[in-house]
Amino acid sequence: LAKTTQPISMDSYEGQEVNITCSHNNIATNDYITWYQQFPSQGPRFIIQGYKTKVTNEVASLFIPADRKSSTLSLPRVSLSDTAVYYCLVGGPSGGYNKLIFGAGTRLAVHP
Amino acid sequence: NAGVTQTPKFQVLKTGQSMTLQCAQDMNHNSMYWYRQDPGMGLRLIYYSASEGTTDKGEVPNGYNVSRLNKREFSLRLESAAPSQTSVYFCATWDLTYEQYFGPGTRLTVT
Repeated sequence: LAKTTQPISMDSYEGQEVNITCSHNNIATNDYITWYQQFPSQGPRFIIQGYKTKVTNEVASLFIPADRKSSTLSLPRVSLSDTAVYYCLVGGPSGGYNKLIFGAGTRLAVHP
Repeated sequence: NAGVTQTPKFQVLKTGQSMTLQCAQDMNHNSMYWYRQDPGMGLRLIYYSASEGTTDKGEVPNGYNVSRLNKREFSLRLESAAPSQTSVYFCATWDLTYEQYFGPGTRLTVT
């Protein structure tokens, strides 16, 4: 199973851009990289997924270098409501049903 | 369209009691999952079901059993609850594309 490593916590201020990096050195060829967000007392919710290069949606951007051994979630101009735990997962449709394993996540605190 | 629903939302058990956590989905997804999340920790996979009629162990299956009753429902049973099973339990589904969809969770306390 591809193990992921993320910072335990990060702090930011409203209006700043936040970049959270995830290391996944033993990512497999068929693995996708997916990021989830979790608020207190709620289940995680999907933010973004990518395979290589850059993916952008209305919420975030995901940067994946050519070797795919890491990825960076970028949140533009964060607000207080972005305070949450962010999880990086590596796996995917061809990777097997038991590869959807969450690590400890990164606890992001956004301050006024 | 309710998505993924879980019952109950909260439960308090005494050590040794049994209970079943229920999960249902109306998204027509084949695969379903049970996770537990301890305070300040990430989610750990207990069991999953790739399709109706099949179940497999995840990271932490000891002390739990599951039943995939039909395509919609996936239940998690604690036969003899222990304080170490105090946690928040999440059910999720996956359609083999982008994302898993999570239920609201069941907060279980075992005293």
